[in-house]
Amino acid sequence: GQQLNQSPQSMFIQEGEDVSMNCTSSSIFNTWLWYKQDPGEGPVLLIALYKAGELTSNGRLTAQFGITRKDSFLNISASIPSDVGIYFCAGQLGNQFYFGTGTSLTVIP
Amino acid sequence: SQTIHQWPATLVQPVGSPLSLECTVEGTSNPNLYWYRQAAGRGLQLLFYSVGIGQISSEVPQNLSASRPQDRQFILSSKKLLLSDSGFYLCAWRETGVEQYFGPGTRLTVT
Repeated sequence: GQQLNQSPQSMFIQEGEDVSMNCTSSSIFNTWLWYKQDPGEGPVLLIALYKAGELTSNGRLTAQFGITRKDSFLNISASIPSDVGIYFCAGQLGNQFYFGTGTSLTVIP
Repeated sequence: SQTIHQWPATLVQPVGSPLSLECTVEGTSNPNLYWYRQAAGRGLQLLFYSVGIGQISSEVPQNLSASRPQDRQFILSSKKLLLSDSGFYLCAWRETGVEQYFGPGTRLTVT
């Protein structure tokens, strides 16, 4: 299957700091999605990106669809304790979705 | 609005026993349905997906199977569980748009 490289694997930041994570692939995707997963729960969709170059915001979250269609990044501004969790990127191709390995975010109050 | 249900929420089964996990979606029709497995809180592995009743695509050869007996029902089964089948099983749906939405998951422990 398709391989998505997500980095960093984990982050420990102080409350109020900004966060940046990214996802790269050797394959081109039609759509990029970003999810957040809390322990023991299903991932929740944060942002969907539909075309190359697109920059989309959702509150303190901003994500971009790379021009080459092979990468995407997610930024979180002014982090708060409830931002803690694992963040996944996903690329969509046809009926299938391919997921990154996740970025574990810890916010220190 | 659409909702997705999975049950049971947790399950402990002995090696060699059968398995049946159920997923249902409400508030939509003819969705694409997916089963994923997640080990150790990371890495979602696509197991099966379905674009319609009776249509199942398998991504990974294993001792699991899936069925879609009704439009909004997706079932994951096994005749004999292995220790390696332990994990967090997630069902997801997708309608006409691109976005995919996940259910709450089932935690399976094979002992």
